[in-house]
Amino acid sequence: QKEVEQDPGPLSVPEGAIVSLNCTYSNSAFQYFMWYRQYSRKGPELLMYTYSSGNKEDGRFTAQVDKSSKYISLFIRDSQPSDSATYLCAMSSVSGNTGKLIFGQGTTLQVKP
Amino acid sequence: GAVVSQHPSRVICKSGTSVKIECRSLDFQATTMFWYRQFPKKSLMLMATSNEGSKATYEQGVEKDKFLINHASLTLSTLTVTSAHPEDSSFYICSARDSSALNSPLHFGNGTRLTVT
Repeated sequence: QKEVEQDPGPLSVPEGAIVSLNCTYSNSAFQYFMWYRQYSRKGPELLMYTYSSGNKEDGRFTAQVDKSSKYISLFIRDSQPSDSATYLCAMSSVSGNTGKLIFGQGTTLQVKP
Repeated sequence: GAVVSQHPSRVICKSGTSVKIECRSLDFQATTMFWYRQFPKKSLMLMATSNEGSKATYEQGVEKDKFLINHASLTLSTLTVTSAHPEDSSFYICSARDSSALNSPLHFGNGTRLTVT
């Protein structure tokens, strides 16, 4: 079993839809959770960074962490064609001061105009 | 926000030659930088941790003599792929965090697409 599981998609939605992206994990020691967006041929761009359980909102993006279920989500409201990209979840057991993030496989999202 | 610059963005080289990739933190200092490799439709795999002023730490299975890492200053790390072969063709990405900020997240460069012919 992989430490982090993420449905690779692709996920295709119409413009304006609410998008839900998810990851499950097996290591209960994970405490730091991140979502990155990666456009084709570019490096990952940090979208959300959360510690422990709870919700965090930033504009159209909301990140949720449920440590009891070992499940994290990223919601995108009012999705736009420019949101079309691959979304990677990442997590670690210690603070961001380590490169040993464990990444999900990434979900490819396509938002159709 | 924190910016990590990576150069070149794309390089094509002949088999047997060496290629150097630079990673710079533009507006912060990073005592540690990280090098990843990404295959098509696959996630990022950590290759090594670059430590300013000391030797890099390599992940299991990564050849340290093939992937030379130098972290000469608090804002620059380099990855040299030596005696490149076609199987080294991949997308290489560096990342860094602001060493002065507690619990700051990692920021990534835009990657280098290496093609070995």
